[in-house]
Order: sequence, then C-alpha cells, then structure tokens
Amino acid sequence: ELKVEQNPLFLSMQEGKNYTIYCNYSTTSDRLYWYRQDPGKSLESLFVLLSNGAVKQEGRLMASLDTKARLSTLHITAAVHDLSATYFCAVKAGNQFYFGTGTSLTVIP
Amino acid sequence: GAVVSQHPSWVICKSGTSVKIECRSLDFQATTMFWYRQFPKQSLMLMATSNEGSKATYEQGVEKDKFLINHASLTLSTLTVTSAHPEDSSFYICSADRGVFPGELFFGEGSRLTVL
Repeated sequence: ELKVEQNPLFLSMQEGKNYTIYCNYSTTSDRLYWYRQDPGKSLESLFVLLSNGAVKQEGRLMASLDTKARLSTLHITAAVHDLSATYFCAVKAGNQFYFGTGTSLTVIP
Repeated sequence: GAVVSQHPSWVICKSGTSVKIECRSLDFQATTMFWYRQFPKQSLMLMATSNEGSKATYEQGVEKDKFLINHASLTLSTLTVTSAHPEDSSFYICSADRGVFPGELFFGEGSRLTVL
C-alpha cells in the first residue's frame, strides 16, 4: 500500500519567518501535487511537479521534487497570515491519487 | 483552469432519509471522478472511484449499498447516502480527472452533511 507522510502535522509560525513542509512517499511516482485547503472549504491546486528536480514557485511558496529520495518539499518564505491553511501533498500511482496526512499551518502576527 | 461544481454545499437531514450529492465538471469531460470523505482535521479518505458508464470501484470498508455512486455521463457523478445516520455526518468532496497529462485532480466545493 502506498503511504504518503507529511511532516510536520501542525505548524505555528510567526509572520516573516521561513519554514519547510516535507512530504515523503513510499513508492515510485513521477507526479507530485500540492493542494491548499482553507477551513470549511475544498482543496485548491497549488503545484504539479512532474519530474525529478522540478521546482515551482508561486509568491511565497516554492515546491520541489526529488523522485530518487521520494521526497517533496513546500518551502514558505516570509510567512504572512493569509498563508494559514492546511496543505496536502498527493502522489499519483496508476489511476489513483494518494493524499498525505496534511500539515495545518497557522501564521501568527 | 478546469471547474468542478458540487451541490449542495450544506445539507441537514433527519436520520433514515437519503441524500443525493451531485458533482459536475463544467468545462471538461471527466473520464474518472473520485469521491472522498473528510473528517475534521484529517486527510481525505477515498471512498470510491467512478468511471462513466461503469460501476464504481469502492475502497475497502466502504459500504456499496449505503453510498450509491452513479456516473451517468462524462460530466456528472452523484453520491447518494442512503438511510443516513448521524455517523454519516461528514464533509464529502468530489474530484475529477480530465484524463489528460499530467492527470491533475480538480475538486468540487465539498458538501457538508449533517444527519440529525
């Protein structure tokens, strides 16, 4: 069974600080997705990473993928309150999408 | 980006009644749709995978007779929670895969079901 683990599960950080969320997965996959979920809302697509070494950036978020290590990171730069949300990574294997445990991020003013 | 619409957003029903949730892909044909259930502060739990014109594939532990899934067209899938009970209260989210590279999932807005 494919496992997708995120670390940390909960994260509280001050505005202006940097931090990295990690996503490890247990089987070979060349597609890694990052989603954001606000409380009471559905998931919003952030990044799609398709190859080893892929790096994508949008605003204060940057995602990378290392398929050899089966690891993706989501780096937050100079956090702001608007980034408070739960972040999920997901891996596609075959026809299925497997979601990580989620990281609940709270940015404190 | 592709749009997936889910309806209703909120539903409150009495125990024993059935509730239908619709999931529509508005600007693309969805070869595959997925139904997820999410408990508070937890990840998404895949309930079933539905392909147009064929029976849904349910995940282990999901009752087929309780959670009826119909994927009658390439743009519509429905989830019917039959004889709902309070333990069925949850946030249900559908998603659709366009079936083209890179196989990105597009999510509906989610439906919060409360069974009294």
